[in-house]
Amino acid sequence: SELTQPPSVSVSPGQTARITCSGDALPKQYAYWYQQKPGQAPLLVIYKDIERPSGIPERFSGSTSGTLVTLTISGVLAEDEADYYCQSAGIDGTYVVFGGGTKLTVL
Amino acid sequence: QVQLVQSGAEVKKPGASVKISCKSSGFTFTDYYMHWLRQAPGQGPEWMGWIIPDSGKTNDAPRFQGRVTLTRDASISTVYMEMNSLTSDDTAVYYCARGGEIQYQLPNGDFDLWGRGTLVTVSS
Repeated sequence: SELTQPPSVSVSPGQTARITCSGDALPKQYAYWYQQKPGQAPLLVIYKDIERPSGIPERFSGSTSGTLVTLTISGVLAEDEADYYCQSAGIDGTYVVFGGGTKLTVL
Repeated sequence: QVQLVQSGAEVKKPGASVKISCKSSGFTFTDYYMHWLRQAPGQGPEWMGWIIPDSGKTNDAPRFQGRVTLTRDASISTVYMEMNSLTSDDTAVYYCARGGEIQYQLPNGDFDLWGRGTLVTVSS
């Protein structure tokens, strides 16, 4: 995959979860983040690296630094347990790529 | 209500074709890139391509070129994805998703609205 994520992240309720995504295209292309719960379609939680769609709680935030983007979930709730995927365009912008996904476990 | 409604689950034999529909409502269908993605069991999403509903112009992911056909019927706000020569590796949930506004955004950005998915099972 052109975007690399850790397979899993575990946190206790109320803690901060950070999920990283690295890729050579990220300095040139925006990153997007999706939350996916079992049996559901992905849900956009961050767009254009740092923007939050309406209806997404403020505890979700995004940041970027070079080839690394990070999804941060502050004050994690049990309901945040899900798979999270980063997505971007390829380095030439002509196609779409996804990371392999990170399973967030709330202990 | 802003939504994408996909057709129902399909079971196909290897070598067959499948055609899935995705009907949009609640927004101006022709203003947006419409994408198709799939997700195999236990895997992440995989992008397949997009279509511009007004013109019918498409852009397919390289690995699907020649095997996938994206079409639309703008009169009923519906896009279609047809895949031929199915194998067991094509067993997946297939999603349509709304991309960016054509007038303002590049095609390969985010997907802010998804259908509920269509399970395609390929089995002999």
